Amino acid sequence: EIVLTQSPATLSLSPGERATLSCRASQSVSNYLAWYQQKPGQAPRLLIYDTSNRAAGTPARFSGSGSGTDFTLIISSLEPEDFAVYYCQQRNNWPLTFGGGARVEIK
Amino acid sequence: QVQLVESGGGVIQPGGSLRLSCAASGFTFTNYGMHWVRQAPGKGLEWVAFIAYDGGEKNYADSVKGRCTISRDNSRNRLYMEMNNLRDEDTALYYCAKDVRWKVHEFDSWGHGTLVTVSS
Repeated sequence: EIVLTQSPATLSLSPGERATLSCRASQSVSNYLAWYQQKPGQAPRLLIYDTSNRAAGTPARFSGSGSGTDFTLIISSLEPEDFAVYYCQQRNNWPLTFGGGARVEIK
Repeated sequence: QVQLVESGGGVIQPGGSLRLSCAASGFTFTNYGMHWVRQAPGKGLEWVAFIAYDGGEKNYADSVKGRCTISRDNSRNRLYMEMNNLRDEDTALYYCAKDVRWKVHEFDSWGHGTLVTVSS
């Protein structure tokens, strides 16, 4: 099973700041990595699929990069609605796996 | 617009069985693989099971293999999961989710979930 490790677990930032979230895989997942945002009481929402493709409705301030084992989600300038938990997920191998999540909180 | 509506959750004793359902609308159900993903209270996301667009391929997480069966009825636009021999650790909110497209097993639409609580 591919283990995805997200860091940092919590990121404390102010609106307008840049957020950089990391996801590291225990073995290569090629570019088959997605990012989701989840707010309290809501289902997850797909932001980025296959490393760098924004899903429908994802604002341009969200960007994804990486390949192999190291991936990054960048939020260029945090808006109030971006404070949430973010998960990465790989589809290179079965079973599909998620990272443990990273919380972006208001400083 | 895409809608996924789960049902069938509830409180069940350890060792019991449940059948979860997901009603799909707003897209061509027969064209997409579908998944169940769960989230234990206060915890992260765990993928549970997948079924291909035609039911011809299925995959399961080790944690549920042999106890859960995913199925679909394309004539009714419905996804199911039969869960048997339920354990305390199966307590979670169960989401159904849709593939982005064929063989792209990332989830671009989710339901609101149905809560399964395993407790004596």
